[in-house]
Amino acid sequence: AQKVTQTQTSISVVEKTTVTMDCVYETRDSSYFLFWYKQTASGEIVFLIRQDSYKKENATVGHYSLNFQKPKSSIGLIITATQIEDSAVYFCAMREVITGNTGKLIFGLGTTLQVQP
Amino acid sequence: NAGVIQTPRHKVTGKGQEATLWCEPISGHSAVFWYRQTIVQGLEFLTYFRNQAPIDDSGMPKERFSAQMPNQSHSTLKIQSTQPQDSAVYLCASSLRGVQDTQYFGPGTRLLVL
Repeated sequence: AQKVTQTQTSISVVEKTTVTMDCVYETRDSSYFLFWYKQTASGEIVFLIRQDSYKKENATVGHYSLNFQKPKSSIGLIITATQIEDSAVYFCAMREVITGNTGKLIFGLGTTLQVQP
Repeated sequence: NAGVIQTPRHKVTGKGQEATLWCEPISGHSAVFWYRQTIVQGLEFLTYFRNQAPIDDSGMPKERFSAQMPNQSHSTLKIQSTQPQDSAVYLCASSLRGVQDTQYFGPGTRLLVL
C-alpha cells in the first residue's frame, strides 16, 4: 500500500541552527519520486526540493538538502541556517511510477516547524 | 510568470447548494491536478487531467463531485448538493507534463458549507 509517514508533529528550533525533518514511505514500485513542500501561514503550498529514486546523490537546493536512504525507505529534509521565515508546515510527498498513468501525490500529514529568534 | 490561479479564494454555500471552483494552470502546463485539504484527512488527491483528458479520478467521491477541463487554460471542480463535510480547502496544481514533473500548487479555494 502507498503511504507516507511523518512522525514529528512539530519541531521548534532557534534561528541559524540546522533542523532535520523525518519522512518514511511505503511503496511496491521500484521507481518513484519524492518531494518536499512547505505550507506557509497564508496557506500557500510551495515546492522545495525533490529526489528521484534512481538517483543516488542527495538533492540540494539552497539551504535545503535531502538525506535519502533508499534501503530504509526514508527521505529526510535538512534545513541549514534556519530563518524565522522558515516557520511553516512541511509536507513530504511521494509519486509512484506505475502503469496506469497516475500522477497523484501521496502526502504525509506534515511537520510544523517553528523557528524562534 | 503567473502561478496557478484559483477562483474564488473563499466560498460560502448553504447545504444543498452547488459550488463551482475554477483553476487556471500555469501557461504551458498540460497536466492539472485537484486535491482537497482538511484537518482530519490532510491532503488528498481527487482527480488528474493531462492534455485536457481525464486520466485518474480515483479520489473523487462518486456522487456529487465532477471535474472538467474544457480547454488548456482552465479546469473546474463542481460539487452538487454541497454538504457540511465538503468544507475544505480545494487545491489545484499543474505540472509541465505528467508523472515525472513537479506539481506546482495554486492558493486554494476555501469552501465552507453551512
